[in-house]
Amino acid sequence: DAKTTQPPSMDCAEGRAANLPCNHSTISGNEYVYWYRQIHSQGPQYIIHGLKNNETNEMASLIITEDRKSSTLILPHATLRDTAVYYCIVRVEFSGSARQLTFGSGTQLTVLP
Amino acid sequence: DAGVIQSPRHEVTEMGQEVTLRCKPISGHDYLFWYRQTMMRGLELLIYFNNNVPIDDSGMPEDRFSAKMPNASFSTLKIQPSEPRDSAVYFCASSLSAATGELFFGEGSRLTVL
Repeated sequence: DAKTTQPPSMDCAEGRAANLPCNHSTISGNEYVYWYRQIHSQGPQYIIHGLKNNETNEMASLIITEDRKSSTLILPHATLRDTAVYYCIVRVEFSGSARQLTFGSGTQLTVLP
Repeated sequence: DAGVIQSPRHEVTEMGQEVTLRCKPISGHDYLFWYRQTMMRGLELLIYFNNNVPIDDSGMPEDRFSAKMPNASFSTLKIQPSEPRDSAVYFCASSLSAATGELFFGEGSRLTVL
C-alpha cells in the first residue's frame, strides 16, 4: 500500500471548517483513500473513503486531486468534539482478502473554543 | 447493534501472569481484527480472522501471544506469560466483508503489566 504524509498537528477555531491535508504521491490506480479518526481514549472511527471522485457524508467531505496524489478531508463546521487524531490511509480494494489498514502517525487536530 | 464490545476495559497485572482479552464483534461481520496501540509503534495489526479462521497472524509479536475465535460472536487474545513491554491498548475491530476498509473498532482494552 502507498505511504501517506500528514502534518503532525493542526488547530482550527470552533465553528470554522477544518481542512486536513494528506499527501499520497505514490498511490496506485486501484488504491482508495480512507480517513479515520481517533478521539482520545477511544477506538478509531471510520469517517469516509474515496477513489477519485469527491465524496461527502454526514461527517465530512473528501476532496481528491485529479492526479490523486493528494487529498483533503474537510470538516465543515468543526466542534470541540472533533478534536482527535486523524489518519489518512491508502488501501487496495479487492474481494477475497482483507488487506489490513496501515495506520501512520496521523494529524492531531485541536479545535479551539 | 451495540457495536464491537471488548472486555476488560482496563487490566493491571504482574509480569508472568496470563492475560485474556475478549471481543464480541458486530453481528453479521465476517472479519475480526486485533490491533495493538503503543506510543512508540502506533496502531499495529496483530491478527485477523475470516469466518472464525485465522488468516494472517504475521503481526503477532511472539509465541506468548495467541488468539482464537471459537465462534462468530467471540474472540480472545491471550498473552502468557505477560511482560511489561506488552503494556498497550488492544483494540478489536470487525468488518462486513473483505472488500471494505470500513472497520468498526471497539473501545479497547488498556493493559498494564507491572
